[in-house]
Amino acid sequence: AQSVTQPDIHITVSEGASLELRCNYSYGATPYLFWYVQSPGQGLQLLLKYFSGDTLVQGIKGFEAEFKRSQSSFNLRKPSVHWSDAAEYFCAVADSNYQLIWGAGTKLIIKP
Amino acid sequence: KAGVTQTPRYLIKTRGQQVTLSCSPISGHRSVSWYQQTPGQGLQFLFEYFSETQRNKGNFPGRFSGRQFSNSRSEMNVSTLELGDSALYLCASSIEFTGELFFGEGSRLTVL
Repeated sequence: AQSVTQPDIHITVSEGASLELRCNYSYGATPYLFWYVQSPGQGLQLLLKYFSGDTLVQGIKGFEAEFKRSQSSFNLRKPSVHWSDAAEYFCAVADSNYQLIWGAGTKLIIKP
Repeated sequence: KAGVTQTPRYLIKTRGQQVTLSCSPISGHRSVSWYQQTPGQGLQFLFEYFSETQRNKGNFPGRFSGRQFSNSRSEMNVSTLELGDSALYLCASSIEFTGELFFGEGSRLTVL
């Protein structure tokens, strides 16, 4: 069955430090992969997506993600986090019907 | 371009009542999806409508229903409310079926 795993429920990072959020997926075909962000009290916003081509994908707000087929991973990275990045981050894969299968989310806490 | 608009933003109901939530998608978007978000269950897909037809449905009881109008606006209804229906209900619209969704800020339902 298709699934998305985000192993870290919470991550705490100091402001200015680098960030990597992990995402592993289980999907038979070539996946469409996404990262969404949800700020407190808000809906979700698309950060970036991977459909095909270059495996390093650039997104909004300085985020990037790398698709690694051999590891079934799509990890999200940012070189230097800002206090405004504190939010919950969701990884998702689209199934053959283009329905999103969501990870449980990773809550990012920024230490001043 | 206006984003996805959900109304009401907050509402309180009592067990046994029913509720109707409304969603106006981004202009030109014909697909509308609904999600339930709770701390324990995460993001759960309710249903998707496209051109007034239900395209996909999640695993929710029949108390949860929805519809879409000719102007792409959508409503969802929950009848005979239960305490466990307390959640953030998110609506998302999209132009096409790729998994790229644009979310509203949600309607937070509290059932007492």
